[in-house]
Order: sequence, then C-alpha cells, then structure tokens
Amino acid sequence: GEDVEQSLFLSVREGDSSVINCTYTDSSSTYLYWYKQEPGAGLQLLTYIFSNMDMKQDQRLTVLLNKKDKHLSLRIADTQTGDSAIYFCAELSGGGADGLTFGKGTHLIIQP
Amino acid sequence: DTGVSQDPRHKITKRGQNVTFRCDPISEHNRLYWYRQTLGQGPEFLTYFQNEAQLEKSRLLSDRFSAERPKGSFSTLEIQRTEQGDSAMYLCASTSGLTGELFFGEGSRLTVL
Repeated sequence: GEDVEQSLFLSVREGDSSVINCTYTDSSSTYLYWYKQEPGAGLQLLTYIFSNMDMKQDQRLTVLLNKKDKHLSLRIADTQTGDSAIYFCAELSGGGADGLTFGKGTHLIIQP
Repeated sequence: DTGVSQDPRHKITKRGQNVTFRCDPISEHNRLYWYRQTLGQGPEFLTYFQNEAQLEKSRLLSDRFSAERPKGSFSTLEIQRTEQGDSAMYLCASTSGLTGELFFGEGSRLTVL
C-alpha cells in the first residue's frame, strides 16, 4: 500500500535553513505536495512538484525530488518564527481518485 | 472569502448522539473530499465526491458515517451514535482536479464525551 514517512520533529535556529525530508513508497506518484498546518487550523498548501521535475523553487521554499530514491525534501531559507508549524508531505498516485496520502507531519521548532 | 468553509468549527457531544458537519467548497471545484485527522497524525481519507456522486469511500467510514452532496455544491457528513473514538478533526477539501492539489477548510473539531 501507499506509505509516506517523515521525521516527527526538526529544530532549527532562527535565520538558518530548515530541511524537512519525506520518503514515499508509491512509484506511480504523479504529484507530491507540501502542506503547512498551524495550531488549530486547517492545512495550507505551500507548494507542489510534478513527478517529472527534480527541483522547484518558490521564494524561500525549495523542493527537491529524487524519484529514484522516492525522496522529497522541503528547504526553507532564512527560517523565521512564523514558520513554526507542522509540515505534511503528501502524494497523489495512480488515478488520484482517493485524493492525497499524507505523512504524519514534521513539527518545525524555531529556536531564537 | 472564497475559500472552503466548514461549520461548525467545534462540536462537543455526548456519546450516542448524532452530529452533522457542513462543508462549502470553492464554488468552481467539482471534487470534494472529507478527511479525518487525529492528534499526531496526518489527515486520513474518508470519502470523496465528483459533483453529486460519491465515488469512493474508505474502510474507515463505518456504517455510522454518511456523507451527501445533494446538488453538487455543499456537502454534509453525519455521524450517528457517536463514540469516543470518533473524536477528531474532520477536514473538508476541494479541488478542480487538474493538478490534484487540495484546498482545505479550517476543519470541524468533534469532541465526544
């Protein structure tokens, strides 16, 4: 079955770069996504990447995809206190009828 | 605000009662999804609609759960005879289906006492 794995916690200092990693198992994944969730809120789409790309950059965010290793990462440059949240990796596979499969999320903790 | 809206945001109920949640998707989106999220977990797929047709249901959706999207616009999720294990955040999302990205509402948090 489909499975998406992430580390549960990441702690970085304010101003440093954060790199959140994700691995997935479904080789037929067509799109991969990063969502952000702040306490008590819904999920906010940050960015997504099509499976035939290996990198996508959007302002402070850089997504890297290694399709061979089924590894996805999200780099946040110049991490700020407002970046503190849970970050979810998700994949869309096959026909996409079941929507997205999410990881358990990575808690990003910012140290002053 | 033209995003996905959900109502109520928080519902506290006693075990055995019925509850209903409503979701209003982004108006031009034909696909609507319900997910459930428990503490420390990512969202888990429950069911989805394309227009008014319910096309897929997860095995997580027991017989006590029913979802409708009668006119292809808003959707309701009803839970009958609630149990404490139903306590969770129920998230609704919609999409136009072109690149698969889901736009989520703020969620409806259910607490069953």
